[in-house]
Amino acid sequence: AQSVAQPEDQVKVAEGNPLTVKCTYSVSGNPYLFWYVQYPNRGLQFLLKYITGDNLVKGSYGFEAEFNKSQTSFHLKKPSALVSDSALYFCAVRDLRGGGNKLTFGTGTQLKVEL
Amino acid sequence: DAGVIQSPRHEVTEMGQEVTLRCKPISGHDYLFWYRQTMMRGLELLIYFNNNVPIDDSGMPEDRFSAKMPNASFSTLKIQPSEPRDSAVYFCASRSTGEHYGYTFGSGTRLTVV
Repeated sequence: AQSVAQPEDQVKVAEGNPLTVKCTYSVSGNPYLFWYVQYPNRGLQFLLKYITGDNLVKGSYGFEAEFNKSQTSFHLKKPSALVSDSALYFCAVRDLRGGGNKLTFGTGTQLKVEL
Repeated sequence: DAGVIQSPRHEVTEMGQEVTLRCKPISGHDYLFWYRQTMMRGLELLIYFNNNVPIDDSGMPEDRFSAKMPNASFSTLKIQPSEPRDSAVYFCASRSTGEHYGYTFGSGTRLTVV
């Protein structure tokens, strides 16, 4: 089965510091991986995706993610955090069952950026 | 484009009542997904459609739940009868075949069954 794990329920960082939100995956075959962000009372917003190619993927709002095949990880990163980055972050993987049209989401990591 | 539009934003209903949630996908998108979000279970895929046809409803919890997509611009998720454990945020999402499997989500409907 295709799955992703987000080992941290919450991450706290100070504004201006680099941030990392962790995600590991378990898939058969080549993974299609995604990061989404959810602000309070809003739907999920797409941040970035890895399909193939460069292991460092750049996305919206200055976020990037590094695909690491040997560690089966796809960690989300940002060089300098902003208070406005505080939100719930989801890692997701394409589920190959049923034609590969479904995304399976992790449990989410609450990011809190403090002044 | 107005994005994926869901209505209502909030719904409070009594146990046993019928609830209908609505979704308008992005024009041109041929896939539509219904997800449920709860603290206990996270994001769960309930059902998805391709070209208005239900493809996979294996996530629908039980017969009380039903979903329809009568045309490319409208879908409903119905719960009858509703129960308190159905309380959750229900999201609709859509995408087009040409996208690399990224979805656009609506803002969700927060359902409370009392």
